[in-house]
Amino acid sequence: DQQVKQNSPSLSVQEGRISILNCDYTNSMFDYFLWYKKYPAEGPTFLISISSIKDKNEDGRFTVFLNKSAKHLSLHIVPSQPGDSAVYFCAASPQGGSEKLVFGKGTKLTVNP
Amino acid sequence: IAGITQAPTSQILAAGRRMTLRCTQDMRHNAMYWYRQDLGLGLRLIHYSNTAGTTGKGEVPDGYSVSRANTDDFPLTLASAVPSQTSVYFCASSPLDRYKETQYFGPGTRLLVL
Repeated sequence: DQQVKQNSPSLSVQEGRISILNCDYTNSMFDYFLWYKKYPAEGPTFLISISSIKDKNEDGRFTVFLNKSAKHLSLHIVPSQPGDSAVYFCAASPQGGSEKLVFGKGTKLTVNP
Repeated sequence: IAGITQAPTSQILAAGRRMTLRCTQDMRHNAMYWYRQDLGLGLRLIHYSNTAGTTGKGEVPDGYSVSRANTDDFPLTLASAVPSQTSVYFCASSPLDRYKETQYFGPGTRLLVL
């Protein structure tokens, strides 16, 4: 049973437009959520996080929104740049910290020039 | 060394052979983790260690063992490799500060078991 779901394996957007990556979770005990970005032949790198006491967190072009009632979070990238092309993983933790993260399967974002 | 290093970068291994993947971090993080990444399956936790001297099983521990003799090193051993263990393996570490920190990943080891 997949506890963290990224239902879109891929997403393609034009440079300068908004990219929206979605993530759903089933475990109501999750209270800390993270997004990672992964380039080919590299390890994942942390992008942005949000705790369940918030519904929005911004960092530059990246914003994560959390809808606890819907068990849904999304990552918005505005404006999208070709360098944002990567695989994005959503992850969740039930203990408020980063231990024992549960990852989604990832969404491959392609930003076209 | 800065961050997390993994060795080897890649390896081709005959089925039935024993293999140890090495992982070293220089950030003095308490926790360390091993994941495997397979196409369409994302990152799955194999084993973890919250502090030196302790280890725990993740989602897919069968066929793998780990040890944590000190803070910096967390080797992953495949006692008798099988083709289904062909994957990309990532080591990660975390300081375990609540709500503040995240996991930091190494560059990965690409393993092909024939």
